[in-house]
Amino acid sequence: DADVTQTPRNRITKTGKRIMLECSQTKGHDRMYWYRQDPGLGLRLIYYSFDVKDINKGEISDGYSVSRQAQAKFSLSLESAIPNQTALYFCATSETGTSFYEQYFGPGTRLTVT
Amino acid sequence: AQSVTQPDIHITVSEGASLELRCNYSYGATPYLFWYVQSPGQGLQLLLKYFSGDTLVQGIKGFEAEFKRSQSSFNLRKPSVHWSDAAEYFCAVGAGGSQGNLIFGKGTKLSVKP
Repeated sequence: DADVTQTPRNRITKTGKRIMLECSQTKGHDRMYWYRQDPGLGLRLIYYSFDVKDINKGEISDGYSVSRQAQAKFSLSLESAIPNQTALYFCATSETGTSFYEQYFGPGTRLTVT
Repeated sequence: AQSVTQPDIHITVSEGASLELRCNYSYGATPYLFWYVQSPGQGLQLLLKYFSGDTLVQGIKGFEAEFKRSQSSFNLRKPSVHWSDAAEYFCAVGAGGSQGNLIFGKGTKLSVKP
């Protein structure tokens, strides 16, 4: 089984709808991240969490919110989806300590907002 | 601010030929550097990393990369490319501080000719 899983893998939604993307991990890592990938732009950080009570905004957090329900679960919500949020979304995890930059990625969720 | 530049958007090589993908970074201190590969429809897989020590690092799938401080570069190489290496490759640098997040380049897409 994959260490980092994301659900759903694909989602089409309409403008104005609320949508939640979920991430679960079995790696036992404390740190979790949400990135967004757009063609030609690489990956950009949306939110990151060092533990259940520590959540931080990343480079492009506007229009997004997150919830860290447990060490293993980190959800990303779009409160009112808009078409320019159409992208590939990745969850990642890492350890705390000297290896915290070494991140492990889920398979991604392709979100289309129409 | 930290940044990563991958000058080549798209590279095509023949199967069996050697490969070098370029990466330049901007960072004040000794960087933590990574190369990730993303196969079509897949998440990101860590190929190799540089934290300190030997400037030539070996990774998975026969890849290696060399850290050159004087050139602010971390180029990825492979002596003989296989068709299965066709993918998008991302260079990344640790963002510094305790955030633990990565700054990604925009990626280089590799095509392999038979």
